[in-house]
Amino acid sequence: DTAVSQTPKYLVTQMGNDKSIKCEQNLGHDTMYWYKQDSKKFLKIMFSYNNKELIINETVPNRFSPKSPDKAHLNLHINSLELGDSAVYFCASSQEMQGIQETQYFGPGTRLLVL
Amino acid sequence: AQTVTQSQPEMSVQEAETVTLSCTYDTSESDYYLFWYKQPPSRQMILVIRQEAYKQQNATENRFSVNFQKAAKSFSLKISDSQLGDAAMYFCARRFQGGSEKLVFGKGTKLTVNP
Repeated sequence: DTAVSQTPKYLVTQMGNDKSIKCEQNLGHDTMYWYKQDSKKFLKIMFSYNNKELIINETVPNRFSPKSPDKAHLNLHINSLELGDSAVYFCASSQEMQGIQETQYFGPGTRLLVL
Repeated sequence: AQTVTQSQPEMSVQEAETVTLSCTYDTSESDYYLFWYKQPPSRQMILVIRQEAYKQQNATENRFSVNFQKAAKSFSLKISDSQLGDAAMYFCARRFQGGSEKLVFGKGTKLTVNP
């Protein structure tokens, strides 16, 4: 059973286009995240949502707009794609227990290549 | 600065031998969580082990164990009886708490296992 899934797995597109990446988790978690892994493998948080509310926005350009239709889904829409947006994007989720977020579980990643 | 440092960009080990990956971090908090994640060539981020800072006992998961030195802010991962399938990038991460539940990652250590 897939716990955290992302679509698509690969995305190749031209500069200036708009694209979306979808994430779904079937773990019943209440918090979801987007991370970006650059070409040097460095992973950095972009956004976090808790019960559909934005919690973290780590100075990401406003071309990136996350949307959480329900607590099982967190999608990432990117406008006017730039070469520097090429990266692997990971979705993750976790559950709050007694005020503390438990372990984050990651999706398989979406490799985005902007030409 | 709230950073996580992995000082070994690459490590190698012979199959069946033991290897230790180092990680240090910076924090002003007294209670926090530390993690090691594994990223094989498949790109999937897999949780290897986690440590709660309030626990003095070092976490262990089968062949994986940690040496957690709270005063030194050190969190190394020991892999015993290394197997070919252990070859991967290993990321140390620290979770911040209290309204910003993000993971901050080190830059990773690439582990090669030689047959």
